[in-house]
Amino acid sequence: EPEVTQTPSHQVTQMGQEVILRCVPISNHLYFYWYRQILGQKVEFLVSFYNNEISEKSEIFDDQFSVERPDGSNFTLKIRSTKLEDSAMYFCASSEAEGPPLYFGPGTRLLVL
Amino acid sequence: GDSVTQMEGPVTLSEEAFLTINCTYTATGYPSLFWYVQYPGEGLQLLLKATKADDKGSNKGFEATYRKETTSFHLEKGSVQVSDSAVYFCALPYYNQGGKLIFGQGTELSVKP
Repeated sequence: EPEVTQTPSHQVTQMGQEVILRCVPISNHLYFYWYRQILGQKVEFLVSFYNNEISEKSEIFDDQFSVERPDGSNFTLKIRSTKLEDSAMYFCASSEAEGPPLYFGPGTRLLVL
Repeated sequence: GDSVTQMEGPVTLSEEAFLTINCTYTATGYPSLFWYVQYPGEGLQLLLKATKADDKGSNKGFEATYRKETTSFHLEKGSVQVSDSAVYFCALPYYNQGGKLIFGQGTELSVKP
């Protein structure tokens, strides 16, 4: 069964450093998403992406965040200058049509020191 | 605004016990409703869904019925197994916002042999 994959599974970085989280969505899906889950808190929507542009973003997704689909298979989330509060599990998801069901990857656990 | 409320965990049960995890929601319109499951160390997996009132979603012995009159989507299983130990999330999409899902806070289930 096709699945969403994410790399790395864990990332440790210093505050102020840039990180890029990578995702390979399911191949025939057209809509892509990033969510995050701060430890002990709810899963929160960050951004949705379709046709090479952002279609929706939350207030969390400020100027330090960006997304890109650099080729036909990868979907990336970049955090330009990480902060301590960016420490979270970041989930990529994709869907065939706009809206659910969404299929989530296993997540990247980001720790900012 | 739209929201999802789940019963607080953790819930601890013995194997073969009956499980109910309550989920209530407030929403604009009549959105589809979802249960996601997060096994230890893994990402979110779609467990089941219901797309309209009175629909029953089911998968792996779990069931949930979309109750419009009580705005609920409670998750049930007749006989839990140790392998069902996980965190369960109720979710619904924001009105007219595609893949932007609202998640409940998650309910941790621990099943003891």
